[in-house]
Order: sequence, then C-alpha cells, then structure tokens
Amino acid sequence: GDSVTQMEGPVTLSEEAFLTINCTYTATGYPSLFWYVQYPGEGLQLLLKATKADDKGSNKGFEATYRKETTSFHLEKGSVQVSDSAVYFCARLYNQGGKLIFGQGTELSVKP
Amino acid sequence: EAGVTQFPSHSVIEKGQTVTLRCDPISGHDNLYWYRRVMGKEIKFLLHFVKESKQDESGMPNNRFLAERTGGTYSTLKVQPAELEDSGVYFCASSQLYGYTFGSGTRLTVV
Repeated sequence: GDSVTQMEGPVTLSEEAFLTINCTYTATGYPSLFWYVQYPGEGLQLLLKATKADDKGSNKGFEATYRKETTSFHLEKGSVQVSDSAVYFCARLYNQGGKLIFGQGTELSVKP
Repeated sequence: EAGVTQFPSHSVIEKGQTVTLRCDPISGHDNLYWYRRVMGKEIKFLLHFVKESKQDESGMPNNRFLAERTGGTYSTLKVQPAELEDSGVYFCASSQLYGYTFGSGTRLTVV
C-alpha cells in the first residue's frame, strides 16, 4: 500500500557534522513530497517540498531531491547546528484532496 | 494572520472519561484536517473537512471518535470513552488550495 519509510532515530550529531535522513516512499505515480520539522514545544512546520521528479527542495541549508528511480527523498544538510535539534518527518501527498502520509519521524539531537 | 490554534495544549484524563479537542483554523480556510501521532510512530491521518462537510473520514479509528465542524469554522474532536491507546498528540491543520498550516497539537494522555 501507500507508505513512507524513514530512518529510525534518534540521531545524535556534533555541531557542524553532515546530516542525512533517509526517506523512501511507495506510490502509484509521482506524488508531491515534503519534509516537515517539529521543534521542541512547537507545531509541525513545512521545511521543504518537491512536486515532481528530479526537483530539489531547499530551505535553511537543508536539501532533498525527488528521486523517482529509487523512490527516495533523502534530507541532507552540510553542517548542522544545535538549533536544528528537532523531529523531522518525511511525507507524501496521497491524493489531490490534500491528505498527507507521514513517516514515523526521526529525532535529531545536535550537541555543541 | 493568526495561525491554526489548538486547545487544550495538554490534557490528562482517566480511562473511560470524555475529552473534547478543539481546532480553530486560519480564517477562510475551507480545508481542515485532523492527524494523530501515537508515541514514536508515524503521524496518521484521521479525517478531512471541506467547510462543514466530512470529505474523508477513513482514518478515524473507531466510533469512539466524533469530529464536527460547526458552520465550517472551528472543529472539535471528541473521544468518548477514552482508552489508553488513544494517548498521543493530535494535530490539526488547515489549508486553502495547497499548503498546510499545522497547529501546535494537543498532547492527550489517558491514564
């Protein structure tokens, strides 16, 4: 069925380390893909998105490329900061009605 | 522009009690969604309103959950009677066309 799978956490990194959070999806066709972030005590915020194959979404130093060949949308950042500590969710659009299917979330902790 | 507001932010209730969660969407947003995250797992879709009508309620877990959207404005999600497995964070989101805005969520703990 339709699903989103992302790497399990928690992930602990030192400041300025390279970050990759893997995300793969199953779908019929090419749905829009998203990364959401939840900072401590706050709601879900859209971090970036890609609406078609080979698109690259980027925001705040984070990037993710829509790879249809591998059905993946991995999140990367070259140099993480303590302020990036949060839970990251990969998601895909289920249909035009706007329903989202989420992965299980990956908790990132960045240490100074 | 005010964001999506949810309250309460936290609720602790005993098994068998009733709890009502409220969501105030962004003014003018026709689409309103409820989602839930049970501890450590994925965020799961519960239902979708378009104005006051339920467009899709395929994610509602059972008949202990009742969602309403009065006059196409705010929405409530009632759990009656609450069970231990209902514990989690309940998120509301609204949108007009595409692009969600999520609320901060209500953390429900059933003891």
